[in-house]
Amino acid sequence: DTEVTQTPKHLVMGMTNKKSLKCEQHMGHRAMYWYKQKAKKPPELMFVYSYEKLSINESVPSRFSPECPNSSLLNLHLHALQPEDSALYLCASSPSVQTNSPLHFGNGTRLTVT
Amino acid sequence: GQNIDQPTEMTATEGAIVQINCTYQTSGFNGLFWYQQHAGEAPTFLSYNVLDGLEEKGRFSSFLSRSKGYSYLLLKELQMKDSASYLCAVRDRRGSGGYNKLIFGAGTRLAVHP
Repeated sequence: DTEVTQTPKHLVMGMTNKKSLKCEQHMGHRAMYWYKQKAKKPPELMFVYSYEKLSINESVPSRFSPECPNSSLLNLHLHALQPEDSALYLCASSPSVQTNSPLHFGNGTRLTVT
Repeated sequence: GQNIDQPTEMTATEGAIVQINCTYQTSGFNGLFWYQQHAGEAPTFLSYNVLDGLEEKGRFSSFLSRSKGYSYLLLKELQMKDSASYLCAVRDRRGSGGYNKLIFGAGTRLAVHP
């Protein structure tokens, strides 16, 4: 069982919808990440939060809006997405951004934009 | 810049040994990870190397040569469940705050046959 929980597992949304992806971890990790993964491609970093503050935004379009309400939760708010945004969205955590400990990944949310 | 190369696909026989190679170019190398990813699932951590040499963990071993920018993952006594993608990921020092960015290779899809 993964220690990083993502909901929902699957999401289908239209281009005018607003939806949110949720991620939760209770390992006491202070760094949390959003990755996007297209089929047969590697995960690509989107955002990094460190101690609940946004540290890295990899030039992600504003239709993706991250939020870290507390040290255990990470959200990704979606609005006006495009079909090419369809992908597996992975959340991950680590003790801190400086650590060389591995990232712990959730099982992801498979997003389809119609 | 950053570049990670791995073979796209490999096949092997149950019970055999397979070696998956990874070469990388990065300006601020700070460790190399191997992850296993089954289709539609989260990447799971396999091994970590930051110094030259071999790290062994049961049926899995990983080797690193920093001077050559080269790593390999060795899988012994292959089982059918080892059929998956294997992702090489390099941690690269980046900017202020000591953030170490994790960059994934495209992955090697391994198919294990009876």
